[in-house]
Amino acid sequence: QQPVQSPQAVILREGEDAVINCSSSKALYSVHWYRQKHGEAPVFLMILLKGGEQMRHEKISASFNEKKQQSSLYLTASQLSYSGTYFCGTATNTGNQFYFGTGTSLTVIP
Amino acid sequence: DGGITQSPKYLFRKEGQNVTLSCEQNLNHDAMYWYRQDPGQGLRLIYYSQIVNDFQKGDIAEGYSVSREKKESFPLTVTSAQKNPTAFYLCASSIGAGSAYNEQFFGPGTRLTVL
Repeated sequence: QQPVQSPQAVILREGEDAVINCSSSKALYSVHWYRQKHGEAPVFLMILLKGGEQMRHEKISASFNEKKQQSSLYLTASQLSYSGTYFCGTATNTGNQFYFGTGTSLTVIP
Repeated sequence: DGGITQSPKYLFRKEGQNVTLSCEQNLNHDAMYWYRQDPGQGLRLIYYSQIVNDFQKGDIAEGYSVSREKKESFPLTVTSAQKNPTAFYLCASSIGAGSAYNEQFFGPGTRLTVL
């Protein structure tokens, strides 16, 4: 039930764009995105609900393709502060069956 | 300031000993969660609780126990039955019982090392 994220790791130069993908084998009700800095707690970025709109958090946006059970996180004009590990979390119903992906390590260099 | 606190930040335990990790929140959230994080494996759910005096097992509950006697507190006990307890443990809470559509707020974590 754990969603699969790709790529596992990516290195960017400041100002470049990146896309992180999250795929599930199950029909999804919602997708969450979190970012975790090294040694810190994950921090919520956004939720995408079935039938909802594409979401945005500063220069980070995400989409949710319900038919493909996929979500993508788009990081535009990356900043040094974007470095961290990004996790998607997926729910297959409205209850508490919620699973985090394995994470994507993003490193932004000057 | 509202938030979630976990203590201690670092914990060392000898094999065969039980140990309890503390998690407290003052956000007035109904739901609370415990996750285990190992390198390269993301976050895996140990237990969750939607209301006081009620909790459910997650995917990796074996060797762990919890209690929810108060809304603001959700301690996790790592028992000697847990074969590989060395990990980073994260506690989280959400305002409602449905984690599908509620943001989760995380505590700073406890890093447990078994010697």
